[in-house]
Formats: sequence, structure tokens, C-alpha cells
Amino acid sequence: DTGVSQNPRHKITKRGQNVTFRCDPISEHNRLYWYRQTLGQGPEFLTYFQNEAQLEKSRLLSDRFSAERPKGSFSTLEIQRTEQGDSAMYLCASRARQGGNTEAFFGQGTRLTVV
Amino acid sequence: KQEVTQIPAALSVPEGENLVLNCSFTDSAIYNLQWFRQDPGKGLTSLLLIQSSQREQTSGRLNASLDKSSGRSTLYIAASQPGDSATYLCAAKNRGATDSWGKLQFGAGTQVVVTP
Repeated sequence: DTGVSQNPRHKITKRGQNVTFRCDPISEHNRLYWYRQTLGQGPEFLTYFQNEAQLEKSRLLSDRFSAERPKGSFSTLEIQRTEQGDSAMYLCASRARQGGNTEAFFGQGTRLTVV
Repeated sequence: KQEVTQIPAALSVPEGENLVLNCSFTDSAIYNLQWFRQDPGKGLTSLLLIQSSQREQTSGRLNASLDKSSGRSTLYIAASQPGDSATYLCAAKNRGATDSWGKLQFGAGTQVVVTP
């Protein structure tokens, strides 16, 4: 396993359309995070999964956003009725189970452009 | 609420000079602090992870220090090269009751250009 994989790398969509992104974490990592990064800013936390359970959601995650992690493996992030303000880089990260202080590994991100 | 700040926002140095990148945080109750590199349009690459009990961590030309009492971490890159040009981000993993899930609080990053 070479790391966290995200697909697609780029997505251009028209306002009002739905989009879905996928994240495949490092295989032995049970902790998975989604972040959003806008230009010139650091990533901001969106949501967290431990195995298949979604344990935390940021206030940034409006009701148009939904995330799943069926069977505790890959995760999907869906945005419904996209708006121009949703344009950003969406980053996925995973972390190993052991201990509380393990390193977070990030994927290459999905860059979303809403036109 | 933890606030992480990186100053300056941008830095340009000639090749061969040492780079010093600063990261400050307001809440010293952290588990660890992680430094990342981000190339334009790409994801984050982990560089160094410093646990709260450590004072520094080294990897090759990179050295990161941590001073929890003053709320600061510094990333040193020795003998900079043009390939070091990127944005460098620091992120704190907090200890607070609402932060038990390990999410990271990021700074906005320092954009570094190393000129040949």
C-alpha cells in the first residue's frame, strides 16, 4: 500500500449539481478524516470516522454535505446542490489505530471547481 | 479554542541559505505537532512529527523544535535547495475534551521560494 488515495484528482461541476469524492485510506488505518482547504489557507476539519462510525462533524459540514465509510474501509464525501463557495481542495487523511499520537497521512486531494 | 499562526506568510531565500520557519499556537495542551510540505495543487506530505514530550525531531536536513511553554515550534531546513520551494504547514493535535478524535488544527502556511 503506497498511501492514501483520493479520486478524482480534479472535478469541475456546474452549480446545483451533486458531486461525490472517494478516499481510500492506508489499509491498516482505522481513523479517517476529511478536511477542506481554500486558497491561501490551511486545511479545516470537516468530519472524522473511526472504522465505519462517523464520530464528529464540523459546523462547516452543512446539510448539503454527507460522508460515509461503509465497512470501515474507503470513504465517500458527497456534496449536493453545489455552490460556488464549495470550490476548494478536499483532503482525506488517515491515522493508525495504535495510541493517540500517531502520524496523520494525507492523500493528494480532490480539487473541486464549481462554475 | 486553539489558534495556530505561521509568520511570515511568504519567504524567499537564495540557494544554500538555511531556512527558519515559525509556528505559534495559543493552547499548550497538545499531544503533538506535525509539519507538512505542500506543493502547488497537491496534497500534504508529512515531514516531521514531534510529540509533546519531545523538544526536537530531526530528519536529514530538517530539524523541528517544540517549546510548549512558549507555544512555539520552529522548522529548520539546512542548506536550502530550489527543490525545497513549497508551502510549509504546521498542525497541532490538541488534548482538549472536544479534541479526543485526533483532528488537526492547521496554520495557514509559509510559502517558500528558494532561488538558484
